Amino acid sequence: AQKVTQAQTEISVVEKEDVTLDCVYETRDTTYYLFWYKQPPSGELVFLIRRNSFDEQNEISGRYSWNFQKSTSSFNFTITASQVVDSAVYFCALTTGTASKLTFGTGTRLQVTL
Amino acid sequence: GAGVSQSPRYKVAKRGQDVALRCDPISGHVSLFWYQQALGQGPEFLTYFQNEAQLDKSGLPSDRFFAERPEGSVSTLKIQRTQQEDSAVYLCASSWDRAHGIDSNQPQHFGDGTRLSIL
Repeated sequence: AQKVTQAQTEISVVEKEDVTLDCVYETRDTTYYLFWYKQPPSGELVFLIRRNSFDEQNEISGRYSWNFQKSTSSFNFTITASQVVDSAVYFCALTTGTASKLTFGTGTRLQVTL
Repeated sequence: GAGVSQSPRYKVAKRGQDVALRCDPISGHVSLFWYQQALGQGPEFLTYFQNEAQLDKSGLPSDRFFAERPEGSVSTLKIQRTQQEDSAVYLCASSWDRAHGIDSNQPQHFGDGTRLSIL
């Protein structure tokens, strides 16, 4: 069985603050993929990043960065200099091996205010 | 179209009625998924198609739920004798562009969803 835990239900920050969203996963498979999706108020899930279990290199894309640590089964997401447009619910998700279905966490609602 | 298209955007039905939700995936995408998202929760897997073959339906909550993709493109999720607990957003996603070859873990691209309310 696989599981994704996002312990932070809701985070509020002031614009330009940095914020980190936590994600902890559980799986017995040695081959797996981790994802982050953003769900703005409009409802559509927007793909942000995919990471496979063999690549622990951290990644940066503009103001976004991801920290993958197999030792702690975590795949955390940091937004630097947050903006109001970053306000959304963020989901971490997992697939394993050839099982393509995504297992999602419960999401973290990020509210960025002026 | 450019993205995954779902219709209707909103659906209100009385308890006991049958409903049908449509998903039009990204052109060329082989894999198609249905998820159910309850209010305040993450999406939960319902079923998965590869072309017209339904390879996994382990997430369908009951035999009142039925999905099909007869020509390997558009898919329909049907719920018979709806109940109030069926109220949720139903999300469709597609992935695996034939042109990019086999990769069962390509990112899934989601539609806007259908918000189903059962009265």
